[in-house]
Amino acid sequence: TQLLEQSPQFLSIQEGENLTVYCNSSSVFSSLQWYRQEPGEGPVLLVTVVTGGEVKKLKRLTFQFGDARKDSSLHITAAQPGDTGLYLCAGAGETSGSRLTFGEGTQLTVNP
Amino acid sequence: NAGVTQTPKFQVLKTGQSMTLQCAQDMNHEYMSWYRQDPGMGLRLIHYSVGAGITDQGEVPNGYNVSRSTTEDFPLRLLSAAPSQTSVYFCASSYSRGLSSSYNEQFFGPGTRLTVL
Repeated sequence: TQLLEQSPQFLSIQEGENLTVYCNSSSVFSSLQWYRQEPGEGPVLLVTVVTGGEVKKLKRLTFQFGDARKDSSLHITAAQPGDTGLYLCAGAGETSGSRLTFGEGTQLTVNP
Repeated sequence: NAGVTQTPKFQVLKTGQSMTLQCAQDMNHEYMSWYRQDPGMGLRLIHYSVGAGITDQGEVPNGYNVSRSTTEDFPLRLLSAAPSQTSVYFCASSYSRGLSSSYNEQFFGPGTRLTVL
């Protein structure tokens, strides 16, 4: 069983601060996805990274896939209250096809 | 497109009762899955299907049954509900063809919040 550990589990910051969320595993993944979930709704995909060392940017969000494809990070610059939500990483094993393993999630609260 | 739809949105059961959570998608996706979400545990895979007539167990399958008679529908059955099955249940689907299937976005329904007393 492949495991993904996210840290921190909870994060409460002030508007304008920067933050980083980590997603770590001892297993190699063929791809890693980041989802964001708002209360009462299902998760929505933010980004997919597939190449070791890959960096993708989505406005103020920067996603990185580790060189060995075992870990990933999400960095948010100048956080805003609208960034509040549950952030989930999910990895696909090299032989698991569409089957994803999810991390425990990071609950982010950005206070105005 | 309606995307992924789930019914009901809320359900309260008594221990031992049975029920079916409905899930449907109109995107012609081959891959469908059921997850449960509990505080501090992320999403855990219950069952999944790579196409009509094909289902397989995920991480936490005990107490749940599934079937996939059509591409569109993937119902989840609780045969004898237990308090440990109190959770939020999400159905998801994705396009699943070829070697890059793991790169594909999973589309989630709005969830069913189930309480077992």
